[in-house]
Parts: sequence; C-alpha cells; structure tokens
Amino acid sequence: EVQLVQSGAEVKKPGESLKISCKTSGYNFDNFWIAWVRQKPGRGLEWMAIVYPGDSDARYSPSFHGQVTISADTSIDTAYLQWHSLKPSDTAMYYCAKVFGDIAASIIYFDFWGQGTLVTVSS
Amino acid sequence: ESVLTQSPATLSLSPGDRATLSCRASQSIGTSLTWYQQKGGQAPRLLIYGASSRATGVPARFRGSGSGTDFTLTISSLEPEDFAVYYCQQRDYFIFGPGTKVEIK
Repeated sequence: EVQLVQSGAEVKKPGESLKISCKTSGYNFDNFWIAWVRQKPGRGLEWMAIVYPGDSDARYSPSFHGQVTISADTSIDTAYLQWHSLKPSDTAMYYCAKVFGDIAASIIYFDFWGQGTLVTVSS
Repeated sequence: ESVLTQSPATLSLSPGDRATLSCRASQSIGTSLTWYQQKGGQAPRLLIYGASSRATGVPARFRGSGSGTDFTLTISSLEPEDFAVYYCQQRDYFIFGPGTKVEIK
C-alpha cells in the first residue's frame, strides 16, 4: 500500500527557517517524481516544486523558484521542502504527492497524496 | 503558459442529481488533463487522468471527457459523499484550475 506521511504542524516566526518532510512507503521511492503543493486557507491548489529522488533532479514553479528548496533522501525514502526565511504569506497547508509518469510525458498526474502539513508563520 | 478556468465556481445540487463541471484551457493541451476531488479538511484525491481514465477505486458515476481546450467532469447521480471541491490540472507547470465547489442545495 502506497503511503505518504508528512511531518506535523509547525508554528514559526517570520525570518525563521523550516524543513518539512514526507515519508513514503509501498513503492520504489527512487523511481518516481514527488511534488509539493501549497494550499492557502480557503484557496485553491498551487504546484510548487518536483524532485526525482533517483538523481535529485529538481524543478520549480516560477512562483516558488528561489523561495523554497525541494530535496529527497533515498536512504530513508523521504522528501523534504525547506524555507530559509519564512514570511507570514507562507502560512498554508502543504501537501506532498507521488507523481505517476515521466516529467516529459503527456500523461502525468499526482496519484497519491500525503495528509498535509499546516505551517503557520506569525510574529 | 496555458491557464485553466473552471465553471461554475459553485454548483448547488441535490443527491441524485447529475453534476456537470467544466474546465477550459487557454491553449490546447490534448488530453493532458487530470481531475481531483477534495473534501473539507482532507488531501486531494485523484479521480480522472488523461482526461477520461478513472483512477483505481473511483466509482463509475464519475466520467471525464474532452480534449484540446474543453473538458468536462460528469457525476451521473450525486451521492452524499460527492459534495466536495473539484480541481482540474494540466501537465504544463502542473497548473490547477481554481476549482468548482459542489454543494448540497
């Protein structure tokens, strides 16, 4: 059974750093892209970044490039999303999602999702 | 880059009704269109990929159709558990549409 289990809720102050995690199981972690998606309170879904654990190839949405860092550790089948300096506008729910399909393929989609990590940034 | 629009923003229907949700791309995307369902307080769930293929475990009352720029998600007869927000997504930059909320009338 494919599972993505995310780290717990975080409350941070502006300017602080943060790294949230997504522990996977039930499939070959190295061979599937994994993505992060943001959802601000009461708003829609925004794709942020995607990484291929097998070679750490990472791609970013233009909206998030330079704002976050995506990474993966194949020794523990876990993906990460990191901020160096949080802003109040980063307050949101963050989801990781396993990706089915190659990034160059016409058919590619997010087939399994984590439960979400709520990040609150407030002074 | 192609933008996705969804209509209507909200659909007020009763259990047993047919729901028709629209997703339109600003430029042709072939059949590279995915639909997700999100219930309150939950993560999104994959429903339809490749515009018309149902994901594993998705009931047959959910049907995806369309190609190019116009796509439709049809729920043939709404069950109580179908009241949720539905998002479409395209492959380029994995852009999501703004969502359609299907609410109980």
